[in-house]
Amino acid sequence: AQKITQTQPGMFVQEKEAVTLDCTYDTSDPSYGLFWYKQPSSGEMIFLIYQGSYDQQNATEGRYSLNFQKARKSANLVISASQLGDSAMYFCAMREYGTYKYIFGTGTRLKVLA
Amino acid sequence: DAGVTQSPTHLIKTRGQHVTLRCSPISGHKSVSWYQQVLGQGPQFIFQYYEKEERGRGNFPDRFSARQFPNYSSELNVNALLLGDSALYLCASSAGLGDNEQFFGPGTRLTVL
Repeated sequence: AQKITQTQPGMFVQEKEAVTLDCTYDTSDPSYGLFWYKQPSSGEMIFLIYQGSYDQQNATEGRYSLNFQKARKSANLVISASQLGDSAMYFCAMREYGTYKYIFGTGTRLKVLA
Repeated sequence: DAGVTQSPTHLIKTRGQHVTLRCSPISGHKSVSWYQQVLGQGPQFIFQYYEKEERGRGNFPDRFSARQFPNYSSELNVNALLLGDSALYLCASSAGLGDNEQFFGPGTRLTVL
């Protein structure tokens, strides 16, 4: 069954340090996409990064990188040089291309400390 | 360019009532998806529409329905409201059905009393 697991309800990181947010997934569809979204306290979901199941290289977008380990079914988000504005909820999500269904994890609340 | 817009921003209903939520996608986007986000949880996928046809459906009862209009805007309808329907309802648009990047609107906060 399609499933996303985020085991870290909350994380703290010191400003300017790197942080890794964990995400594991389960699917039987060979074609899928993995996503990370940021949700600040304002409530709007902001797309951060995407990784396709057939992509050979890990995705990067500025300070965000996705550590994709297909055999382990993990898609961890790495944020480098954390900033105070990175404090938010972070959601890992997956889309199966056979059904076009999206599924989101329960989220990790990140707090960046000055 | 305007982003995804949703209306109303907030809504209060009582059990058993009906509600209609509206979403306007980014200009040029043909796909709209709807999500329900209960407080403290991740969004739950409800529907995806593309070119006015339903292309994906999550595990929601038949009380939930949606449609997409020729201008690609969309409505989400919920009948016979339950207390558990209280949530933030998010709309997201993308250019095409297979596009990976979705742009979310600010959401409609529904409270059912």
